[in-house]
Amino acid sequence: SQQGEEDPQALSIQEGENATMNCSYKTSINNLQWYRQNSGRGLVHLILIRSNEREKHSGRLRVTLDTSKKSSSLLITASRAADTASYFCATDGDSGYALNFGKGTSLLVTP
Amino acid sequence: EAQVTQNPRYLITVTGKKLTVTCSQNMNHEYMSWYRQDPGLGLRQIYYSMNVEVTDKGDVPEGYKVSRKEKRNFPLILESPSPNQTSLYFCASSLAGTGGYEQYFGPGTRLTVT
Repeated sequence: SQQGEEDPQALSIQEGENATMNCSYKTSINNLQWYRQNSGRGLVHLILIRSNEREKHSGRLRVTLDTSKKSSSLLITASRAADTASYFCATDGDSGYALNFGKGTSLLVTP
Repeated sequence: EAQVTQNPRYLITVTGKKLTVTCSQNMNHEYMSWYRQDPGLGLRQIYYSMNVEVTDKGDVPEGYKVSRKEKRNFPLILESPSPNQTSLYFCASSLAGTGGYEQYFGPGTRLTVT
């Protein structure tokens, strides 16, 4: 079942600007992950945040998680043209064996 | 190099002609899964396997079969493909399930059923 919903569906910014994508989900989770997909290629794991964490950083990426609002955000700072891709959030539940992806945010970074 | 490989990468076939998409990982991962990706629908899980000989249905298992006879391989079988199975398919693996484990994805198989 599709649990996460990313917002916005599409985002266009210029190099150097920050990009923020949001993910909302419906039921309680243990973990939330963010993935990047370059056009038609396999997904690449970016960051994982656990339900007891509120914020996590990895390089130019910052992820927040608000379990009370059932939402997460991914911030990419100082974006580059190479960041152009689709970004997906994925949530897991109690089973530990199913991963539910949102429909993704398509990010375009122009030089 | 740690990777998940899929073959073929592109496949055009006709309705009803059985096909198999192979998936192999070299990371000794216990967990493997299959997804399909369709425009506007995102990624949907087809089947997953927690270990050798242990598989279970995902959200969209109809029309698909899987097997896990060896730890490294997790083929996806379409016994009688139909046009609504035209899609981009991804295999993924992880150390042990999805609970807090990073998923490693293959490069994808683009399937067209005419």
